[in-house]
Amino acid sequence: DGGITQSPKYLFRKEGQNVTLSCEQNLNHDAMYWYRQDPGQGLRLIYYSQIVNDFQKGDIAEGYSVSREKKESFPLTVTSAQKNPTAFYLCASSIDAGGANTEAFFGQGTRLTVV
Amino acid sequence: GQNIDQPTEMTATEGAIVQINCTYQTSGFNGLFWYQQHAGEAPTFLSYNVLDGLEEKGRFSSFLSRSKGYSYLLLKELQMKDSASYLCAVRDRGDYKLSFGAGTTVTVRA
Repeated sequence: DGGITQSPKYLFRKEGQNVTLSCEQNLNHDAMYWYRQDPGQGLRLIYYSQIVNDFQKGDIAEGYSVSREKKESFPLTVTSAQKNPTAFYLCASSIDAGGANTEAFFGQGTRLTVV
Repeated sequence: GQNIDQPTEMTATEGAIVQINCTYQTSGFNGLFWYQQHAGEAPTFLSYNVLDGLEEKGRFSSFLSRSKGYSYLLLKELQMKDSASYLCAVRDRGDYKLSFGAGTTVTVRA
């Protein structure tokens, strides 16, 4: 089945450790996005990528890093510089960055807890 | 960048109609999306508007006025399962950045 997969679903880390969240899609989508969601809040954009080997900072990029070496993969690293990393992280992809009616499809999310 | 505003909460009765408004400001508009999100789950796509007017999909309709920077999502014949958060999202023309509003929590009462 085609889709977008995030793993793991739940992740626990100790404070001060870097952690990488996986996002893979087999939909042949060009654009990919990472969002953070805190309890009772909306989605805030961390990073996004229109094409392979290119990405842009979103509204809250500090303390995060990404790579886009392959079209189907867009991993997010939460570094120790991120002051409040505990949150629900959502990855999304869309068909192409500028086409018509290109809604974003979401993965099931990773709930990160830093203790 | 974008500035997207929508009400925080709305409550309505089963079988009624609710309208969720969304206003936005963007340097270059390339489409507006509505998503539904149940607690603890990923958002699911509801509707897309890029031209002015009304798009209807069953019980859900969405309207767009680009000149006013305004959209609404209309939910008709409300059911208990419609209790969820509804997210308005706007895409930039220039760099295809997709930004979301804070979401509107709709509670449907019996």
